[in-house]
Amino acid sequence: DQQVKQNSPSLSVQEGRISILNCDYTNSMFDYFLWYKKYPAEGPTFLISISSIKDKNEDGRFTVFLNKSAKHLSLHIVPSQPGDSAVYFCAAIGGSQGNLIFGKGTKLSVKP
Amino acid sequence: EAGVAQSPRYKIIEKRQSVAFWCNPISGHATLYWYQQILGQGPKLLIQFQNNGVVDDSQLPKDRFSAERLKGVDSTLKIQPAKLEDSAVYLCASSMDRGHSPLHFGNGTRLTVT
Repeated sequence: DQQVKQNSPSLSVQEGRISILNCDYTNSMFDYFLWYKKYPAEGPTFLISISSIKDKNEDGRFTVFLNKSAKHLSLHIVPSQPGDSAVYFCAAIGGSQGNLIFGKGTKLSVKP
Repeated sequence: EAGVAQSPRYKIIEKRQSVAFWCNPISGHATLYWYQQILGQGPKLLIQFQNNGVVDDSQLPKDRFSAERLKGVDSTLKIQPAKLEDSAVYLCASSMDRGHSPLHFGNGTRLTVT
């Protein structure tokens, strides 16, 4: 039973355009959400997070939006750069789930 | 600051053999995690330590997997005997505390069981 779902295994965008990565969750008790970025042969690195009391958090080119009623969050990257090409994992924590639950990841390719 | 160190980077073993992975977390991080990442999946928690005590090992296959964190610093994860389905990347992570502090991951150990 997947509590965190990333339904798009891959996404390809042109350099300079916007990348939008989506994530859905089923557990309404989740109260904190994170995005991690992973390059090949490296561990995931923390990118940005959002608390359930907010609906938006911005950090430079990266913005995360949270829609609690839809149990949906998205990561926007503007403008996209070739160096952003990586696998992006959505993760959530909260309620009885005391540990991070990860989605399967979305592989982003940014083409020059 | 130095990151989370893991060794070895790669390991190939035959089924029924044993294997051990080592992790050195970021200095001062009280919480240490071992995750298993199977190809095409997200990381899945195996075990979580707070200092040298186990907080959560509910998803650790205890008939074959074991882990320890002596003195609340380094940790080892052992598999004995290994099965084909144990082929995965084993990631160690650490964080300042058990709350919402972001996890810092090592580069992982890629295990192949033949």
